Amino acid sequence: GAGVSQSPSNKVTEKGKDVELRCDPISGHTALYWYRQSLGQGLEFLIYFQGNSAPDKSGLPSDRFSAERTGGSVSTLTIQRTQQEDSAVYLCASSLGGPNSPLHFGNGTRLTVT
Amino acid sequence: LAKTTQPISMDSYEGQEVNITCSHNNIATNDYITWYQQFPSQGPRFIIQGYKTKVTNEVASLFIPADRKSSTLSLPRVSLSDTAVYYCLVGGNTGKLIFGQGTTLQVKP
Repeated sequence: GAGVSQSPSNKVTEKGKDVELRCDPISGHTALYWYRQSLGQGLEFLIYFQGNSAPDKSGLPSDRFSAERTGGSVSTLTIQRTQQEDSAVYLCASSLGGPNSPLHFGNGTRLTVT
Repeated sequence: LAKTTQPISMDSYEGQEVNITCSHNNIATNDYITWYQQFPSQGPRFIIQGYKTKVTNEVASLFIPADRKSSTLSLPRVSLSDTAVYYCLVGGNTGKLIFGQGTTLQVKP
């Protein structure tokens, strides 16, 4: 079946603009995760959803970052007033949501802030 | 949250067996150990998962000692296409899954 889909695959934006990144998880997956990966670095946890709720938002880097999930499916990560340090690959993953369920990742959105 | 420690990088040659060890001293009773592989410009991909002793699938084996404070991913007879970053992830009971820095494996001809 279809995997995790992220759009756009690439986004170039000017400093100060807002951007929205979209994630379509695998159908039936109740858990959804957002990670950020800077060039040559590991994965930085941002936020996760169980259904539509985000129990822990402590990973979001600043109040310019927000995320929502509707209908237990699609999620949107919004970055307001983008800064150059926001440039990175933003990865989304989904899982069945049970304990220790493996994560299935999309190929990410590469965000470049000029 | 269990923190993991892995070597930053490893080199190997085609046809050799590669073992990558991950330390996770404060692993919780209900935590599983999961390994992921990441190629450039792609998201990580699940390789193998285990709780204790040994698990084997078509691509790798995972060895976990009785105290579960470490684990070893074993890749038999690596090829150039196994060049990637390998992440060890411990957890599962909460959704805040924290990845370590990963091990960059370079396979040489």
